[in-house]
Amino acid sequence: DTVLTQSPALTVSPGERVSISCGASEGVNSYMHWYQQRPGQLPKLLIYRASNLASGVPARFSGSGSGTDFTLTIDPVEADDTATYFCQQSWNDPNTFGAGTKLELK
Amino acid sequence: EIQLVASGGGLVQPGRSMKFSCAASGFTFKNYGMAWVRQTPTKGLEWVATISYDGSSTFYRDSVRGRFTISRDNVKSTLYLQMNSLRSEDTATYYCTRGGYGYNPAFDCWGQGVLVTVSS
Repeated sequence: DTVLTQSPALTVSPGERVSISCGASEGVNSYMHWYQQRPGQLPKLLIYRASNLASGVPARFSGSGSGTDFTLTIDPVEADDTATYFCQQSWNDPNTFGAGTKLELK
Repeated sequence: EIQLVASGGGLVQPGRSMKFSCAASGFTFKNYGMAWVRQTPTKGLEWVATISYDGSSTFYRDSVRGRFTISRDNVKSTLYLQMNSLRSEDTATYYCTRGGYGYNPAFDCWGQGVLVTVSS
């Protein structure tokens, strides 16, 4: 299975820019997607196919990368962005998710 | 408004069966692939199964293939997951999701989740 590696946690201040990385153990083309899961809530799609903003998602969120290295950027970070962010690839079978990066605000 | 409302779940003994359903509304169900994704505190998010928009193609993760069956009724706009020979490692919250197939490779809508506990 394709392993997706994310850093476990980040702490930033509101108004700052934050980049959350996701590394794949093998190439996934551009088929990397990003989700936000606030505590006690459902996962929500933010970015699909590496860089496409999902419907209704603020333009503060953006995605980049291809192959094995991908980044989700939030700029500027707001208090409401406290959540765990997951990457997911759908290029290789089976679909796999990263373990998530917990974003906390100072 | 797009809604995915799942029902089912609960406590079940190892080796037994359980079936979920997920009622979809707010979009043209028959045009979309659908999937089940599960989540646990220890393993995180795991894709379980996907079905094509017309039900002609199904895909499973190795650990559930042969035990789980994903199906759909496009007249009723409902997705199903039949789970047989349940194991303790199947304990999870199961989400009904839209997507994961074809031109919609990401899971763009999620239902509220149903909790399954496999335990004697």
